[in-house]
Amino acid sequence: QKEVEQNSGPLSVPEGAIASLNCTYSDRVSQSFFWYRQYSGKSPELIMSIYSNGDKEDGRFTAQLNKASQYVSLLIRDSQPSDSATYLCAGAFSGNTPLVFGKGTRLSVIA
Amino acid sequence: EPEVTQTPSHQVTQMGQEVILRCVPISNHLYFYWYRQILGQKVEFLVSFYNNEISEKSEIFDDQFSVERPDGSNFTLKIRSTKLEDSAMYFCASRSEGGGPYEQFFGPGTRLTVL
Repeated sequence: QKEVEQNSGPLSVPEGAIASLNCTYSDRVSQSFFWYRQYSGKSPELIMSIYSNGDKEDGRFTAQLNKASQYVSLLIRDSQPSDSATYLCAGAFSGNTPLVFGKGTRLSVIA
Repeated sequence: EPEVTQTPSHQVTQMGQEVILRCVPISNHLYFYWYRQILGQKVEFLVSFYNNEISEKSEIFDDQFSVERPDGSNFTLKIRSTKLEDSAMYFCASRSEGGGPYEQFFGPGTRLTVL
């Protein structure tokens, strides 16, 4: 059973701080990982994808993947109140297979 | 920017009735997916569709569910006889063909309420 696990939070950070969101997965044979942002009542919005070990940066967001430790993280620098949302970690465990989602971590950025 | 669209945004139905949820994937995408999210729970995969046939389905996707691509743009999910537990947000997603990237883009969802 392929699983993606996340701490449900809530994670509260002050405005301007770095928010760190973490995710672990159960299957060593995995292809790619994604971070989605989901506002309440809305659909998942893709923020980052990462396929290789290491870091990938896009603006204020950095995704980190460590396949040996089966660990994915998302760092949000200079957090803004508009970043307050639930962040979903998802894995695609082979090329065309569907995404397996974690339960999501609720982030609250306090102004 | 191209996006996935879904209709209706909200569907209310009586238990036992049939519903059809509609999606228009991004135009050059060839892989299509339906996911659902029960309130407060994780997003769950239902079915994937490629080259006019189902490529994978989950345990949730039983005989009450079916998918169709009736024309070159629409992708539909039909629930034949709805149950109370089918109440959820239903999301359509699509991605482009090829070995990568595997990024899936989600539509805004249809909120299905079964009474």
